[in-house]
Amino acid sequence: AQRVTQPEKLLSVFKGAPVELKCNYSYSGSPELFWYVQYSRQRLQLLLRHISRESIKGFTADLNKGETSFHLKKPFAQEEDSAMYYCALSPAGGYQKVTFGTGTKLQVIP
Amino acid sequence: EAQVTQNPRYLITVTGKKLTVTCSQNMNHEYMSWYRQDPGLGLRQIYYSMNVEVTDKGDVPEGYKVSRKEKRNFPLILESPSPNQTSLYFCASSFGAGGSPLHFGNGTRLTVT
Repeated sequence: AQRVTQPEKLLSVFKGAPVELKCNYSYSGSPELFWYVQYSRQRLQLLLRHISRESIKGFTADLNKGETSFHLKKPFAQEEDSAMYYCALSPAGGYQKVTFGTGTKLQVIP
Repeated sequence: EAQVTQNPRYLITVTGKKLTVTCSQNMNHEYMSWYRQDPGLGLRQIYYSMNVEVTDKGDVPEGYKVSRKEKRNFPLILESPSPNQTSLYFCASSFGAGGSPLHFGNGTRLTVT
């Protein structure tokens, strides 16, 4: 069975401080991993995915297969980063079953 | 504009009264799915569909039905709603290929009394 764990329900950081949102997964095959973000009163939207290895809004995430992790990082937090962040996993090659973590609320303190 | 449209946005109903939440996408996506979002539990997949007439259960399918008669539409049906189905529901779609991102609707907040 596939599983995604986000250990922190709430992460509070000061503006300008580094941010790391943790995501660990459990899956026996090759996973596709994603980070989705939900700003207040808005729909979920894709932030980034591991296959594209891109940086979006200053965020990056590296897939570490040895540690089965996909942590989301940003060197300097901005107030507009305050949102709910979800890590998600699906089997490589399709979306047969997408599993989301329970989410981490990021609060950036001015 | 490419989008996933859900209706209604808010719905209050009583136990046992059948209801349908509609979902439509205009991106010619093959894959569509339904999720419920509950505090502390995140998003849990209810049902998904890989294409027309192809549907399968997600993690929490009990009490729900779906159909996929047309590629663009994927309605969620609650035949006999119960209070434990009070939740925020999201529909999503994608091309279905590995790595394709999900596009989400705005959500439907359902209250069952």
